[in-house]
Amino acid sequence: DTGVSQDPRHKITKRGQNVTFRCDPISEHNRLYWYRQTLGQGPEFLTYFQNEAQLEKSRLLSDRFSAERPKGSFSTLEIQRTEQGDSAMYLCASSPSSLLAGKGAGELFFGEGSRLTVL
Amino acid sequence: AQKVTQAQTEISVVEKEDVTLDCVYETRDTTYYLFWYKQPPSGELVFLIRRNSFDEQNEISGRYSWNFQKSTSSFNFTITASQVVDSAVYFCALSEYSSASKIIFGSGTRLSIRP
Repeated sequence: DTGVSQDPRHKITKRGQNVTFRCDPISEHNRLYWYRQTLGQGPEFLTYFQNEAQLEKSRLLSDRFSAERPKGSFSTLEIQRTEQGDSAMYLCASSPSSLLAGKGAGELFFGEGSRLTVL
Repeated sequence: AQKVTQAQTEISVVEKEDVTLDCVYETRDTTYYLFWYKQPPSGELVFLIRRNSFDEQNEISGRYSWNFQKSTSSFNFTITASQVVDSAVYFCALSEYSSASKIIFGSGTRLSIRP
């Protein structure tokens, strides 16, 4: 399977605990994105990487959230001191770099997501 | 600020009916991209189409067609002769043109096709 893979698929944790999600993008894609989706809503942008550089972060990404992509391949999203409001599906997506306008721009390949439940 | 509105929360039609999903967007950018994504029951979002803001030609792909009207800031999606397999949540989305890095999604329309 050469799609975007995310791990774990489900995570149940107690409030105050830290959690980490991992995303492995499609190998030739140098852009990687994290989104959050709650029930009945569309995905909300959190952050994106071009290779190992984190180029944009949403204001939704509080200081309890941190994302890394150390070697420009896989990425991790860590949530510290989880709160019940963090319960959501965390989606990872990847895409080729769209340096040329129109060439694959915005065509994101999504993983199946990591569902977080904070009790 | 960029915003995408999908006023139809849920639509249910009988198989073989035509159905149109509405999308209205707001942006201050003069150039931008518009998208439609599909999220089937399995959960994985799938890209359907991208349109740039300076190309208002309608597009048809099989049973799917898209109508982009800049004058009304709308990018509607029509499925002709709907099938049960079309049942999914459909998201309209918007991004800036220069890098298409941050894609803003609408809240989605849940489409149910009854046999």
